[in-house]
Amino acid sequence: EIVMTQSPATLSVSPGDGATLSCRASQSVRSRLAWYQQKPGQAPRLLISYTSTRATGIPARFSGSGSGTEFTLTISSLQSEDSAVYYCHQYNDWPLTFGGGTKVEI
Amino acid sequence: EVQLLESGGGLVQPGGSLRLSCAASGFAFSTYAMAWVRQAPGKGLEWVSGILGTDTTTYYADSVKGRFTISRDNSRSTLYLHMSSLRVEDTAVYYCIKTNNTGWFFGYWGQGALVTVSS
Repeated sequence: EIVMTQSPATLSVSPGDGATLSCRASQSVRSRLAWYQQKPGQAPRLLISYTSTRATGIPARFSGSGSGTEFTLTISSLQSEDSAVYYCHQYNDWPLTFGGGTKVEI
Repeated sequence: EVQLLESGGGLVQPGGSLRLSCAASGFAFSTYAMAWVRQAPGKGLEWVSGILGTDTTTYYADSVKGRFTISRDNSRSTLYLHMSSLRVEDTAVYYCIKTNNTGWFFGYWGQGALVTVSS
């Protein structure tokens, strides 16, 4: 099983700041890495697939990068509505696995 | 507009069974792989099971293999998850998911169905 490790667990930032969230895979997942945003009481929402492809309707301030085992979600100019838990997800191999999440507090 | 509406959640005793349903609309259901992902209270996300669109090939997490069965009725645009031999640790919100046919990532999520396993 591919283990996904996210860091930091919690990130406290101010409005307008940028944020960098990390995700590490225990073995290569090539580019098959997605990011999701989950707000309290809501289902997760797809932000990015294939490492860097934004989903429909996702603002350009969200960007993804990386390859192999190291991935990054960058959120520029954070807004209050970006407060959420962010999960990475590898879909290169079975079983599909998620990281433990990074909580972004604004 | 894609819509996924789960039903069938509830309270069940350990060792019991439950069937979740997910009514899908707004897309060509039979042409998409579907999946279930769960989230225990206050915890992260865990993939549970997946099924291909037309050939019904299925995939399971080790934690549910042999106890859960995923199936679909393409004529009714409905996805199912039959859960048996339920354990306390199966308590979670179960999300129905439409995948993207270019890969097993999760583009659309239902609102979730709460399954509580408790005596």
